[in-house]
Amino acid sequence: AQSVTQLGSHVSVSEGALVLLRCNYSSSVPPYLFWYVQYPNQGLQLLLKYTTGATLVKGINGFEAEFKKSETSFHLTKPSAHMSDAAEYFCAVSDLKLIFGTGTRLQVFP
Amino acid sequence: DVKVTQSSRYLVKRTGEKVFLECVQDMDHENMFWYRQDPGLGLRLIYFSYDVKMKEKGDIPEGYSVSREKKERFSLILESASTNQTSMYLCASSLGASGNYNEQFFGPGTRLTVL
Repeated sequence: AQSVTQLGSHVSVSEGALVLLRCNYSSSVPPYLFWYVQYPNQGLQLLLKYTTGATLVKGINGFEAEFKKSETSFHLTKPSAHMSDAAEYFCAVSDLKLIFGTGTRLQVFP
Repeated sequence: DVKVTQSSRYLVKRTGEKVFLECVQDMDHENMFWYRQDPGLGLRLIYFSYDVKMKEKGDIPEGYSVSREKKERFSLILESASTNQTSMYLCASSLGASGNYNEQFFGPGTRLTVL
């Protein structure tokens, strides 16, 4: 069975600092991997996805993620945090339906 | 753009009431899903549907039922609401047969409070 682990339920960074949100997955088949973002009192919005091909995936709002099969990881990064990035982030792996991690809340301090 | 709409953003009900949460999508997606979201627990799948009149239990179906009479509409029903069903409810849809790698599109959510 497929599963997702997000390390760290809360991450805090200063504005302008690097953002790194960690995601590890377990899958018996080549995975499809997703990162979603949820702003307060809103639904989830797709940030980026990995399906096949290039392992470095670029998404919206300057975020990117790298699929590393050897490490079973799909960590999300952004070189320079902005106050508007404060939100909850969910990693997910696809198995006909999506299997979500428990989420990481990102706080950005001025 | 895919649009998934939910009938209410905020809902307050009393214990024992029957509650209907409605979800409509406008992109002819075959699959529809209902999740609940609670702090520290992430998203948990309640029910999903692959086609009209078809439904499958998710991870936490107890206390809930669903109805899918039309392709675009998926309803979540709380037969007798209880306080432990106070939560954020999210609806999502996706293409069938693993289309678009099972990417799901979400509605804005309904925050339900049961008193």
